[in-house]
Amino acid sequence: EAQVTQNPRYLITVTGKKLTVTCSQNMNHEYMSWYRQDPGLGLRQIYYSMNVEVTDKGDVPEGYKVSRKEKRNFPLILESPSPNQTSLYFCASNILGPSTDTQYFGPGTRLTVL
Amino acid sequence: DAKTTQPNSMESNEEEPVHLPCNHSTISGTDYIHWYRQLPSQGPEYVIHGLTSNVNNRMASLAIAEDRKSSTLILHRATLRDAAVYYCILKEEYGNKLVFGAGTILRVKS
Repeated sequence: EAQVTQNPRYLITVTGKKLTVTCSQNMNHEYMSWYRQDPGLGLRQIYYSMNVEVTDKGDVPEGYKVSRKEKRNFPLILESPSPNQTSLYFCASNILGPSTDTQYFGPGTRLTVL
Repeated sequence: DAKTTQPNSMESNEEEPVHLPCNHSTISGTDYIHWYRQLPSQGPEYVIHGLTSNVNNRMASLAIAEDRKSSTLILHRATLRDAAVYYCILKEEYGNKLVFGAGTILRVKS
């Protein structure tokens, strides 16, 4: 089954404790991205990757890092989480190509930073 | 990023058709109109997309105005499982970024 998986689904942590949220897709997609969703602000893109070793900032990249060492994986790293990074995070992927291609989203990771 | 305008919320009765409108008066000639929906506690999922002509798939139909400044997502028979936030998004021809607005909250009554 074609899917995007994220782990963990729920995480409660404390300020400053480094964490990684993993994202993996099994569709051989070149493009992957991370979004965060906050009440009243909607979904906003954090980082994206066009292919292995090619990443770039989205609209709200501050406080986040990503890496793309393998095509299927795109982890989101919070080196020193702060309470304002409490949010619902979604990973997504799609084939690179014309706008006819759909983007597939993971189930989400709910992060709480105390 | 081209912007879209949608009603904040709509309500429908189960088994009846639902027409969700979207205005995109600043759409460019190469922008595709995409619709995604987000069910409660889930990630967004693709519904349908189009460029100029009306489109049908197993989930919905998309009616696009002749001047492309507006479009309507049509759910032919709403079910309780269709209750979700529906997003109308303009996507550049070779773009990958999805810019989500507030969307329309669809409530379906039994």
